[in-house]
Amino acid sequence: DVKVTQSSRYLVKRTGEKVFLECVQDMDHENMFWYRQDPGLGLRLIYFSYDVKMKEKGDIPEGYSVSREKKERFSLILESASTNQTSMYLCASSAGNLYSNQPQHFGDGTRLSIL
Amino acid sequence: QKEVEQDPGPLSVPEGAIVSLNCTYSNSAFQYFMWYRQYSRKGPELLMYTYSSGNKEDGRFTAQVDKSSKYISLFIRDSQPSDSATYLCAMSGGAQKLVFGQGTRLTINP
Repeated sequence: DVKVTQSSRYLVKRTGEKVFLECVQDMDHENMFWYRQDPGLGLRLIYFSYDVKMKEKGDIPEGYSVSREKKERFSLILESASTNQTSMYLCASSAGNLYSNQPQHFGDGTRLSIL
Repeated sequence: QKEVEQDPGPLSVPEGAIVSLNCTYSNSAFQYFMWYRQYSRKGPELLMYTYSSGNKEDGRFTAQVDKSSKYISLFIRDSQPSDSATYLCAMSGGAQKLVFGQGTRLTINP
């Protein structure tokens, strides 16, 4: 079974802090994704990566950056946390190249609160 | 107008009932269709994955895609309390970027 592990289930940070969310997958998947999930808005793609050191903006990249130094690890960075970034953050991974349409597999999420 | 529309519910049915969950979409380029199940405080779990039009069955679950009507469905037969969750439809047009519905919250009452 695919295993996508997010380092924290719950996180509380203060406005203005730099926040790191970590995600690791154990299936040697090429593609990794960061989403946020909000009531009434569903899942929205923040950033994705199709290879080590490669990244692409999703639909809502403002206020976020990402890092992929190793194939199995994809980090989401909130440069200066704000209260409107309070949300559930979900990491996902998939096999194949960007056009192979393999299904995405998700971690259990990090519920982040910015005070 | 959203690219993918899904009734958020909540939907409540008795145990053993047949459940029908639906999504409509506007982008005719979508070819790959997925259903995810999400339990409370957990991540989405892939249930069904289909390409183009037609039906796919897996145990008590059946996924249907009607591309001419831009309509997809998930049927759950002999529903169980353990099926209580939020169900998300998702679709893509040929690249890895998925578009998700809002999710339908389903409760199966014993």
